[in-house]
Amino acid sequence: ETGVTQSPTHLIKTRGQQVTLRCSSQSGHNTVSWYQQALGQGPQFIFQYYREEENGRGNFPPRFSGLQFPNYSSELNVNALELDDSALYLCASSPGTIRSYEQYFGPGTRLTVT
Amino acid sequence: GQQLNQSPQSMFIQEGEDVSMNCTSSSIFNTWLWYKQDPGEGPVLLIALYKAGELTSNGRLTAQFGITRKDSFLNISASIPSDVGIYFCAGSFNDMRFGAGTRLTVKP
Repeated sequence: ETGVTQSPTHLIKTRGQQVTLRCSSQSGHNTVSWYQQALGQGPQFIFQYYREEENGRGNFPPRFSGLQFPNYSSELNVNALELDDSALYLCASSPGTIRSYEQYFGPGTRLTVT
Repeated sequence: GQQLNQSPQSMFIQEGEDVSMNCTSSSIFNTWLWYKQDPGEGPVLLIALYKAGELTSNGRLTAQFGITRKDSFLNISASIPSDVGIYFCAGSFNDMRFGAGTRLTVKP
């Protein structure tokens, strides 16, 4: 059983640019959630996708957007990058059943905005 | 911002000692979860709790879902060096909220 994978591992962007992060969910999982984790903090919920539809969103501006594909992989897009967007971005998948909060995390993408 | 208060922020203990950490919230949650995160990795699920009052063990780890649904604790018995890491509580109602973490250091 393959776990959650994310790409790229690290990324450096300039303020104002756009970025796309990718996530492949664990086999058999149809729900993907994205989190932002600032240094020294716990993960903060960005949004969740279930069967290709957004299924809940945290307190993040519209320049954070996402997609889920038929194979349940997912993308996180961030437009007009700001310095405060520098963080570890985590993707988590879950089976979408009654125990959908048992989320399994990928290793994350470390984004640095300069 | 975070809605969960996790304490303590950090702990320095001797190998073999027991550890206790907890999480409180002003809101009720339907689910409490505990995760551990090692440097450079994503959080790993340790225990999930689905019912108020539920007490669940996973090896040397024991966690409880508070009766008020606003708190949870995690105990680690007989700590070992590989227990080092950051422990996060998380609560869910409509989405998932994480605490700020407890950084555990175990001295051999």
